[in-house]
Amino acid sequence: QKEVEQDPGPLSVPEGAIVSLNCTYSNSAFQYFMWYRQYSRKGPELLMYTYSSGNKEDGRFTAQVDKSSKYISLFIRDSQPSDSATYLCAMSDPGNTPLVFGKGTRLSVIA
Amino acid sequence: DAGVIQSPRHEVTEMGQEVTLRCKPISGHNSLFWYRQTMMRGLELLIYFNNNVPIDDSGMPEDRFSAKMPNASFSTLKIQPSEPRDSAVYFCASSLEGFQPQHFGDGTRLSIL
Repeated sequence: QKEVEQDPGPLSVPEGAIVSLNCTYSNSAFQYFMWYRQYSRKGPELLMYTYSSGNKEDGRFTAQVDKSSKYISLFIRDSQPSDSATYLCAMSDPGNTPLVFGKGTRLSVIA
Repeated sequence: DAGVIQSPRHEVTEMGQEVTLRCKPISGHNSLFWYRQTMMRGLELLIYFNNNVPIDDSGMPEDRFSAKMPNASFSTLKIQPSEPRDSAVYFCASSLEGFQPQHFGDGTRLSIL
């Protein structure tokens, strides 16, 4: 079992839909959780990051962490064509340790 | 503020040639990371530096790969000799020391013919 599992998609939704992106993980030591957005031919850019369990909201984006289930989610409300990108989850245990990335989910929002 | 800067953006070369990728991290960041991204394997960490010192190079695929960080504002990743299976997008990222989210450059798209 890989440390981080993420459905690669592709996921195609109509504009205005609510999008749910998810990752599961196996390492219970993970405490820091991030979502990166990667546009075509660009580097990943940090979208959200959270520590431990709970929710974090930033505009149309909400990140959720359920440590008991080892499951994290990113919700996008009122999705826009500009949200079309690959979304990568990433996580880390405490300390200056490398991030472990999911393989990314490719999202297309159709106008 | 300038982000992480990588050069070249694209590199096409023939098998057996030496390839050098360059990275300038964000000023003030003390940790630097080199990643490789492919469709099959996703984003893989190759090596990371903390305060210019290599901390973990266990992700470097083989001895053909080497990385240096001679100062806080510059790092190189070298492949010698290059092989077609090295074709990928190589990213550099930097972060503040200690746990901080990493900030990525736009990558070098490498094609080995």
